[in-house]
Amino acid sequence: DQQVKQNSPSLSVQEGRISILNCDYTNSMFDYFLWYKKYPAEGPTFLISISSIKDKNEDGRFTVFLNKSAKHLSLHIVPSQPGDSAVYFCAASNSGNTPLVFGKGTRLSVIA
Amino acid sequence: DTEVTQTPKHLVMGMTNKKSLKCEQHMGHRAMYWYKQKAKKPPELMFVYSYEKLSINESVPSRFSPECPNSSLLNLHLHALQPEDSALYLCASRGQGSGPRETQYFGPGTRLLVL
Repeated sequence: DQQVKQNSPSLSVQEGRISILNCDYTNSMFDYFLWYKKYPAEGPTFLISISSIKDKNEDGRFTVFLNKSAKHLSLHIVPSQPGDSAVYFCAASNSGNTPLVFGKGTRLSVIA
Repeated sequence: DTEVTQTPKHLVMGMTNKKSLKCEQHMGHRAMYWYKQKAKKPPELMFVYSYEKLSINESVPSRFSPECPNSSLLNLHLHALQPEDSALYLCASRGQGSGPRETQYFGPGTRLLVL
């Protein structure tokens, strides 16, 4: 049973436009959510996180929104840049320090 | 500093070789992890060390042997691997507690090829 789902395997966006990556989860015990960006043959790079006590967290061009009632989070990148082209993983954890649960990833392509 | 370092960056080994992967962090994190990642897949958890003790082993074959010599170092000893073990091996560390202390940082990975 997949507890963290990224239903879009890929997404293409024009440079300068907004990229929206979505993530759904099923475990209501999750209270901390993270987004990672990954280039081929490199380790995932931490991008941004959000605690369940918040519904929005912003860091530069990246904003994460959390809708707890819908068990849904999204990552907004605006404006999108070609260097943003990568695979984005959503991950979730609970306060018990249990291992992160990852989604399968969404490949973002930003077209110049 | 949120750096996790891993050596070597690349490794090619035969099925009879013994080799080790190394990981280091100086963030004071007391949880360290080994993951295996195949192309187009999410990281797959192998081992978790908490306060230098092995707390989770995700049914990993014994040809992979983890070791945590101290709170900053994590090793993965490899012996008699199979070609299907070829993958990117990622180390990660995480602080204990809640909120931002739970942020997990990954190393750059070791790309392993077993011939």
